[in-house]
Amino acid sequence: GENVEQHPSTLSVQEGDSAVIKCTYSDSASNYFPWYKQELGKGPQLIIDIRSNVGEKKDQRIAVTLNKTAKHFSLHITETQPEDSAVYFCAASATSGTYKYIFGTGTRLKVLA
Amino acid sequence: DAGITQSPRHKVTETGTPVTLRCHQTENHRYMYWYRQDPGHGLRLIHYSYGVKDTDKGEVSDGYSVSRSKTEDFLLTLESATSSQTSVYFCAITGAPSTEAFFGQGTRLTVV
Repeated sequence: GENVEQHPSTLSVQEGDSAVIKCTYSDSASNYFPWYKQELGKGPQLIIDIRSNVGEKKDQRIAVTLNKTAKHFSLHITETQPEDSAVYFCAASATSGTYKYIFGTGTRLKVLA
Repeated sequence: DAGITQSPRHKVTETGTPVTLRCHQTENHRYMYWYRQDPGHGLRLIHYSYGVKDTDKGEVSDGYSVSRSKTEDFLLTLESATSSQTSVYFCAITGAPSTEAFFGQGTRLTVV
């Protein structure tokens, strides 16, 4: 079945440094790759997404890259701040048919002040 | 914020009892999902719906059933709760033209 692997499970960085989280997916039909941030006690919220016809997308300090051939996509956070500390999830979805979203296992990011 | 409400937010129940969790949306979105979140496992799909009375199983559907009799409500039922179903349950919705999935605030279920 469809599977999304996410690494690392935990990541600690110094404030101001960059953080990178990587995911791989198995379903070739996947064409939409969102990233979600979950703060304590809340539901996940979308922070950035990318579609399969694009290789990279940036939004201020965050960026996502996609390698369709290798079925890899990554989240890059630059100039990290304490408020970036949270759990991050990647997901893969095929935006046709059932729109099923499969999530990775999450990365707990700690930004040390 | 997307109009999505989960109820109850917290529940403690005994092993063997039936439990129903409700997800209510005001966005008229076609797709609705139930996930469970457990440490080390991330968000795992239980069941999803792609329309009224159209549902399908996710990766961890055993022990769970769902129903969707109208667009706005998606019910998750544990027919006979077990301790392994202690978890945080999230409902999500999405629908054209957006592909973004919006999540509810979650339901913390404890089975004792």
